[in-house]
Amino acid sequence: QSALTQPASVSGSPGQSITISCTGTYSDVGGHHNSVSWYQQHPGKAPKLIISDVSHRPSGVSNRFSGSKSANTATLTISGLQAEDEGDYYCNSYTTSNSPNYVFGTGTRVTVL
Amino acid sequence: EVQLVQSGAEVKKPGESLKISCECSGDSFTNYWIGWVRQMPGKGLEWMGIIYAGGSDTRYSPYFQGQVIISVDRSISTAYLQWSSLEASDTAIYYCASARNGNSYWHSWGQGALVTVSS
Repeated sequence: QSALTQPASVSGSPGQSITISCTGTYSDVGGHHNSVSWYQQHPGKAPKLIISDVSHRPSGVSNRFSGSKSANTATLTISGLQAEDEGDYYCNSYTTSNSPNYVFGTGTRVTVL
Repeated sequence: EVQLVQSGAEVKKPGESLKISCECSGDSFTNYWIGWVRQMPGKGLEWMGIIYAGGSDTRYSPYFQGQVIISVDRSISTAYLQWSSLEASDTAIYYCASARNGNSYWHSWGQGALVTVSS
């Protein structure tokens, strides 16, 4: 099972909006489910869930984070970019391809200029 | 949701065995899947395998199948990841994560355990 494809890096100025894509196949992102989630990881820290089920924000997560999906591509949007948003972002999807039935994206480094 | 606390950093020599733990608290352990994720230095997240704490279902990534063993001890709400013979390439941070049965997202994460394998 190959990792889902994300851009290696995305940057933006404070206050701007940025998007991070996560491209897979019909076996994972494009499957008949909404099992795509997104995780934020700051340097030296554990990943943190920021989007579940394609577009749901867990309690306590800023409403500047939003998610969507179209066909085989999921997208994370960060609006009103802030310095604290710098870090690595990973998508994750349920997959029917093989065990253990989940696959991460390659990861995207977000830089706030 | 459960909270996850992992065992501490380890320094081992090639060929040695190791078992690291992930203690769960705050909710019924048997309602959750526990996953183990590897992050090699400067690299991304990789699924090693997942285990259902309420049953016997264990699923390994093909790459890690036969290389590690994932298990749980329900009596102490703890999940484990073990190696019988470490290699230098096993040097990484290992995270455990939890997903409530029926959910497809990993809500809670352990703090990570750095495993260093060096002669």
